[in-house]
Amino acid sequence: NAGVMQNPRHLVRRRGQEARLRCSPMKGHSHVYWYRQLPEEGLKFMVYLQKENIIDESGMPKERFSAEFPKEGPSILRIQQVVRGDSAAYFCASSPLDSADTQYFGPGTRLTVL
Amino acid sequence: AQSVTQLGSHVSVSEGALVLLRCNYSSSVPPYLFWYVQYPNQGLQLLLKYTTGATLVKGINGFEAEFKKSETSFHLTKPSAHMSDAAEYFCAVTLLDSNYQLIWGAGTKLIIKP
Repeated sequence: NAGVMQNPRHLVRRRGQEARLRCSPMKGHSHVYWYRQLPEEGLKFMVYLQKENIIDESGMPKERFSAEFPKEGPSILRIQQVVRGDSAAYFCASSPLDSADTQYFGPGTRLTVL
Repeated sequence: AQSVTQLGSHVSVSEGALVLLRCNYSSSVPPYLFWYVQYPNQGLQLLLKYTTGATLVKGINGFEAEFKKSETSFHLTKPSAHMSDAAEYFCAVTLLDSNYQLIWGAGTKLIIKP
């Protein structure tokens, strides 16, 4: 059973470009969570999604950031018009329906904004 | 606001020595508590978690942690360090009234000296 997959593992963007980060949850998991880790800090919750639904986006910046988890395909975290402060590691986690407190993490995408 | 404090961004121990990684949380109500480990270039892996019941929790790879409500602590220990334990360790707790939103410590890098 493959774990949580994230791609790309490393992403370099220039200021003003768009970044798209993908996350495929573990097989059978219907919940996806996105976290951001800034250098020397712990992870910060961004958003919690189920298929075709955003359940909690209280940790998402109000502008430029969006997330989706379509019926088919991976979850996407999209950052428009990136700025240097968006440089961070972005982690995706998934959990099964009946165990939201046990999250399985992907290897992360390290975004560098030049 | 809830917070998690991990004392020491780096901890260095000799191979075979006791490992002690400290975690304190601020919460008026005992949350669920977790320890995750992150090996280089990999995702976070759940070591152990406390929800209810016995306060001494055993995890994978010989690690255990004890929940002490009076001290609001959840320190991670291992009797004898192994070179393969070198990694970064994160303590996390659930946000009050949430079983999925995790509040994270900044992490502790464990260094094992031969």
